[in-house]
Parts: sequence; structure tokens; C-alpha cells
Amino acid sequence: EAAVTQSPRNKVAVTGGKVTLSCNQTNNHNNMYWYRQDTGHGLRLIHYSYGAGSTEKGDIPDGYKASRPSQENFSLILELATPSQTSVYFCASGDTQGANERLFFGHGTKLSVL
Amino acid sequence: AQKVTQTQTSISVMEKTTVTMDCVYETQDSSYFLFWYKQTASGEIVFLIRQDSYKKENATVGHYSLNFQKPKSSIGLIITATQIEDSAVYFCAMRQGTGSKLSFGKGAKLTVSP
Repeated sequence: EAAVTQSPRNKVAVTGGKVTLSCNQTNNHNNMYWYRQDTGHGLRLIHYSYGAGSTEKGDIPDGYKASRPSQENFSLILELATPSQTSVYFCASGDTQGANERLFFGHGTKLSVL
Repeated sequence: AQKVTQTQTSISVMEKTTVTMDCVYETQDSSYFLFWYKQTASGEIVFLIRQDSYKKENATVGHYSLNFQKPKSSIGLIITATQIEDSAVYFCAMRQGTGSKLSFGKGAKLTVSP
């Protein structure tokens, strides 16, 4: 079973501070994704990556940066955190080829920006 | 641009009945892939079932099946013989044939009562 691990699980940050959310996957998937989940909005795509060194903007990239330094790791960076970025963030990985295409999700990171 | 819309926000059914969850999508691509995911009360998000746009047969996995109506850009999830454990939030998602971007709908909460 694919394993996607997010850290930290919970984070409290101050407005204007820098926040880094980390994600690690152990199944050699090419694609990785960052979503945020808010009541009434479902899962919204922030950034995604095709592989090491690549990042692509999702549907709501403003205020976020992403980094994919290796196949296994994908980080989401909030350079200047704002209270509107309080949310639950999910990382996912998967491949888009073949009959087994599906995403595997981490358990989420609950971020509170005060 | 791609878009996924779930108009139902909350559905309640009795155990052992059949429920259909609606989803419509927008895409410019002739090739695309449609998915349903389930989020349990613990927050875990898991893949359920998938439909490829070029396939005419509706996908079926266990007691989950899809009602794919391509002319209506609709992909309904049908759960037969519902169980209490099916209580969860269900998300519809789409990936266009070109690229790895996977966008989700807002989700629909299903409550199954005894």
C-alpha cells in the first residue's frame, strides 16, 4: 500500500510568518499534489508536480510556493502566512498511467494562522 | 479549463437502500478520466472507482457503480445496499487527458441510518 506521510500533523503559525509543510511518499510516484480543504469548498488544488524539479500551479496558487527537490518529497511553502490560509492541507501522490491510476493521500495537516 | 460540480451537499438514506450521488464536469479535452473518492469521519481520503471517458461500459467495484452519461457530462456514483460504514463525504474528481492536474468537486456528505 502506498504511503504518504505529512509533517507536521498540526501547526500554529503567526500572521506574517513563514510556514513549510512537508510531504514524503515511498512509492516512487511521479505526481504529487497539495490540496486544501475548507468547509463549503471541498478539496482545492494549490500546486502539483510531475516529478523532481517540477512544480505547476493549481487552481488556487496565490500565496503559496511549492518545492519538489526529489521524487519522494514535495513541500508547500507559505512565505507570509495569513489567517485566510488557516485550513487542512492534504498531500497526495500517484501516477497517471495505467489501469491503477489513483491518488494516495496523506492524513492531512491542520494549520492555524493566528 | 476543467471544472467539477457536485450540487448535492448532504444526503440521508436508510441502510440497505440505494443512493445516487451526482456530479457534472466541464472539459475541453476529448479524453479525460473521472474518479470518486471517499473521506471517512477520521479524515482519511481513499479512492473508490474510476471511469475513463473512452469506455462506454460503466465501471463497477463491489457495491459501487457509475452512471456515465457522456452527452450530459455527468458521472453519478451509485451505492447499492448501503451500509452504516458508507457514511462519509464523497468527492468527484476529473483529470483531463493531457497533464496530471486533478480537480475535485466540493463533496457531498452521505449519512446512512439504521
